[in-house]
This record gives sequence, C-alpha cells and structure tokens, in this order.
Amino acid sequence: DAKTTQPPSMDCAEGRAANLPCNHSTISGNEYVYWYRQIHSQGPQYIIHGLKNNETNEMASLIITEDRKSSTLILPHATLRDTAVYYCIVRPSYNFNKFYFGSGTKLNVKP
Amino acid sequence: DAGVIQSPRHEVTEMGQEVTLRCKPISGHNSLFWYRQTMMRGLELLIYFNNNVPIDDSGMPEDRFSAKMPNASFSTLKIQPSEPRDSAVYFCASSLRLDTQYFGAGTRLSVL
Repeated sequence: DAKTTQPPSMDCAEGRAANLPCNHSTISGNEYVYWYRQIHSQGPQYIIHGLKNNETNEMASLIITEDRKSSTLILPHATLRDTAVYYCIVRPSYNFNKFYFGSGTKLNVKP
Repeated sequence: DAGVIQSPRHEVTEMGQEVTLRCKPISGHNSLFWYRQTMMRGLELLIYFNNNVPIDDSGMPEDRFSAKMPNASFSTLKIQPSEPRDSAVYFCASSLRLDTQYFGAGTRLSVL
C-alpha cells in the first residue's frame, strides 16, 4: 500500500491560510489522494479527494504535484473550529476499501 | 439526511459481558464499514459489507468479534465475551458504490 508521511503537528493563526503537506512518493498512477479530518471526540469527516488535477470545494483546496508524489491541503481562512487531526490517505487501486489513516497532522488554530 | 447513526454513544460494561454496537447507514448507501480507534493503533478497519454481504473481515481481531448486516439499513458489531483490551471508540461508516466513506459519531466502549 502506498503510505503517506505527514508532520505530526502544525500551528496556524486564525484567519490565515493553513497549508498541510503530505508526501506519498510510492503512489501509483490510478490511486486517489483523500483528505479527512477528525475533530476531537467526533468521527472522521471527509474533506476532499483528487487524482491528478487540483481540486476545490467549499471546505478546502487540494494541490497535487505534477509527479503526484506529494500534495497540500489548503484551508483558505482557518477558524478555531478547524482545529483537528488531518489525515492524508492514498486509496489503493486494488482495494478501494483499504483506507489507511495513519497518524495524521494535528492542526492547532490559534486566536 | 441524518448521516450515519450509531448507538449507543457510550457503553460501559464488565469483562465477560456481551456488547452489541449498532449502526444505521446513510439511506441509499450500499457499503458499510466498521472501524476501531485506539491511541496505540489509531483507526483500523475491522470489516466491511457490500450490499449486505461481508466482503473483508480480515481486520476482525478474533472470534469474539462478529458483525452482521441483516438489511440495508442496519448493522451490528458484537463482542462476546468482552475484555478490557476491547476498550476503544468504534466507528461505523457508509458509502455509495465503494466511494467516499461517511462516518458516524462513534461508540465509546469501556470494558472494566
């Protein structure tokens, strides 16, 4: 399975953009990159996913490098409610159900 | 839609007792997943169903654990007998055609 590497924690000032990096150097050509987050005591929440192109939705933007070996999740205007653990997941092409969540990045949004 | 609904939210039981966790997936979703989350091991997939049929139960820790999905709107995860090491948060998730998974709020299980 293509594994991901994320920094264990990051800080961000409220109102500023939060840029969360993820390395997935062993990703295969047809494997998607997914991002979820988990706010304390809640279930994981889907944020966004992509294959090759950059993606944007109402929550965030996903920037995937051209070689697909890394990606960045961007929260354009972080709020205190965005404090959570963010998981970058590569979904194996041979088994769409094997979501490996890893340790994630704890994002601390500070006032 | 109300999302994935799990019950109970909290369960405290004594070692040796039977525990049953319940899940109602999002209406129309045809895949259902059970996960367990602990500090030591993170979030682990236990089993998943597609169209009510168990497809992969390789994550189920041992025979004490069993899961059923009698219909498209209900699933149970049973632990019998329960042990203290089963203490964890158990999540249920559902998806449509094996696409994006949507999670419930979880059941926090404490086995004393």
